[in-house]
Amino acid sequence: GDSVTQMEGPVTLSEEAFLTINCTYTATGYPSLFWYVQYPGEGLQLLLKATKADDKGSNKGFEATYRKETTSFHLEKGSVQVSDSAVYFCALSDNNAGNMLTFGGGTRLMVKP
Amino acid sequence: DVKVTQSSRYLVKRTGEKVFLECVQDMDHENMFWYRQDPGLGLRLIYFSYDVKMKEKGDIPEGYSVSREKKERFSLILESASTNQTSMYLCASSWGQATYEQYFGPGTRLTVT
Repeated sequence: GDSVTQMEGPVTLSEEAFLTINCTYTATGYPSLFWYVQYPGEGLQLLLKATKADDKGSNKGFEATYRKETTSFHLEKGSVQVSDSAVYFCALSDNNAGNMLTFGGGTRLMVKP
Repeated sequence: DVKVTQSSRYLVKRTGEKVFLECVQDMDHENMFWYRQDPGLGLRLIYFSYDVKMKEKGDIPEGYSVSREKKERFSLILESASTNQTSMYLCASSWGQATYEQYFGPGTRLTVT
């Protein structure tokens, strides 16, 4: 079956540091890939997506590139802010699995001033 | 903005009680979902519904049932709550074919004692 693996957290960074959160996947079909973010006390919200190989999704300074050869979709941001502190979930949607979302375990990011 | 609301933010129930979790969305979305979120396990799909009175089992339906009598409302029912059902429960909705772009409620943290 499909699966998504994320680096375990928490990830603790100082403000303006560079962020990378690793995500790798296995899927039977040709998945679309997503990053969702959950701010404290809130539900998840879609951060960015990529629907085919080599696509780059970007939003709010975050970006991730769909790498089919390494089955990866790592999240990056050049300069994090305290307001980026949240839990980040990598997910995939496989058209061979009814387009349901399969989530990774989540990575908590803590940014210190 | 899409709004997904859940009836309670925090709930404490005793073992064996029947528990109802309610979810309402205001954007006329066809699809609605119930997940549970546990540390390190990410989100796991319990049930989903793609239309009124329709329901499909997700990955972990055991011990749960659902009801969708109106398009905007999707209820999760724990027939006889057990301590291993202590978790964060998240409701989500999405439009038509875009099952991957889901809008989440803030969650209900259920504790079963």
